[in-house]
Amino acid sequence: GAVVSQHPSWVICKSGTSVKIECRSLDFQATTMFWYRQFPKQSLMLMATSNEGSKATYEQGVEKDKFLINHASLTLSTLTVTSAHPEDSSFYICSARGTEAFFGQGTRLTVV
Amino acid sequence: GENVEQHPSTLSVQEGDSAVIKCTYSDSASNYFPWYKQELGKRPQLIIDIRSNVGEKKDQRIAVTLNKTAKHFSLHITETQPEDSAVYFCAATLNSGYSTLTFGKGTMLLVSP
Repeated sequence: GAVVSQHPSWVICKSGTSVKIECRSLDFQATTMFWYRQFPKQSLMLMATSNEGSKATYEQGVEKDKFLINHASLTLSTLTVTSAHPEDSSFYICSARGTEAFFGQGTRLTVV
Repeated sequence: GENVEQHPSTLSVQEGDSAVIKCTYSDSASNYFPWYKQELGKRPQLIIDIRSNVGEKKDQRIAVTLNKTAKHFSLHITETQPEDSAVYFCAATLNSGYSTLTFGKGTMLLVSP
């Protein structure tokens, strides 16, 4: 079936640095991708909707200048956490919809 | 927008018992209701889904029921096994590739041997 691949699966970075997370749809074209954040023992919270060839749509409370999203092709969306801080440490997951919703493997971000 | 409530937040059962997780949704336009199982540190995995044109769907030990009038849907797991232990999320959305899923808060299911 359709697969969404996310990279890296985990990353540790220093405060103030930026981290880029990639999300690829491997065997289908994804005009729209979704980025979620999940804190420990909590549900997936939608951060933004990534639209190929246009600006992402951010959920209320999510800083678009901090979480940069680029969806340059039908198979790739990237999320860049800029000037990361410890409170940004979380599990980030992307998703794309086909006949069902497919999720990437997730990225465990730890900011030290 | 859509709002999904899920109960209970934790559920402990003995191996072989049944487990039921319930969700309600607010947007009557939602017509696709998937259930996901998520193990610690891993991606959610779709275990079953139901669309609004049916009231019940079953896949081996797992079944989902949908009541559109009351706007609630439930997951039923029979003959539970320790490997069923995980966090389960319900979700509601429009059956469209452009619509995001709205998730419930999750239910941590623990199946004791």
